[in-house]
Amino acid sequence: AQSVTQLGSHVSVSEGALVLLRCNYSSSVPPYLFWYVQYPNQGLQLLLKYTSAATLVKGINGFEAEFKKSETSFHLTKPSAHMSDAAEYFCAVSDNAGNMLTFGGGTRLMVKP
Amino acid sequence: IAGITQAPTSQILAAGRRMTLRCTQDMRHNAMYWYRQDLGLGLRLIHYSNTAGTTGKGEVPDGYSVSRANTDDFPLTLASAVPSQTSVYFCASSLGGPPDTQYFGPGTRLTVL
Repeated sequence: AQSVTQLGSHVSVSEGALVLLRCNYSSSVPPYLFWYVQYPNQGLQLLLKYTSAATLVKGINGFEAEFKKSETSFHLTKPSAHMSDAAEYFCAVSDNAGNMLTFGGGTRLMVKP
Repeated sequence: IAGITQAPTSQILAAGRRMTLRCTQDMRHNAMYWYRQDLGLGLRLIHYSNTAGTTGKGEVPDGYSVSRANTDDFPLTLASAVPSQTSVYFCASSLGGPPDTQYFGPGTRLTVL
């Protein structure tokens, strides 16, 4: 069985500061890993995904994530937060069939001016 | 291109009533999914369909049923709603096959009183 743990249900940063959202997973097989973003009153949209190619994955809006097998982590980062980054972020893992996602509990990112 | 549409946007429902949430996609995706989103729990899979004519149970299927008569539509039915089914429901679709990006609809906010 797979699981995803997102450390910190709420993260607050100042505009221009580094964003770090943590995700740890457990999987008995090499996983596919995803980060999704949800803006208020909207559905989820894909930020980036890891598919066993490069361990550093670049996504939209300046976000990137690094797959670290030894740490079973897939943390999301952005060098400089923008007010428009305020949203809820979900990490997800899929099985090796690739189409069943298990989501973490989500992290709400708040950006202070 | 609309992507995925869901109806209704929101609904207040008396306990014991029957309710069908509608989901339609125009991307000709093979796979479709229903999730519920509850605070702190992320998204949990209710039911899925890998292709028209087939369905499967997810993590939290009790009290819900689905059908997949064609590629585009994937309705979710609550036969007799209970207050614990108060949630935001998201439909998603994907091409199918690893690694698979799921595309989400805007959601239906359901309140069962």
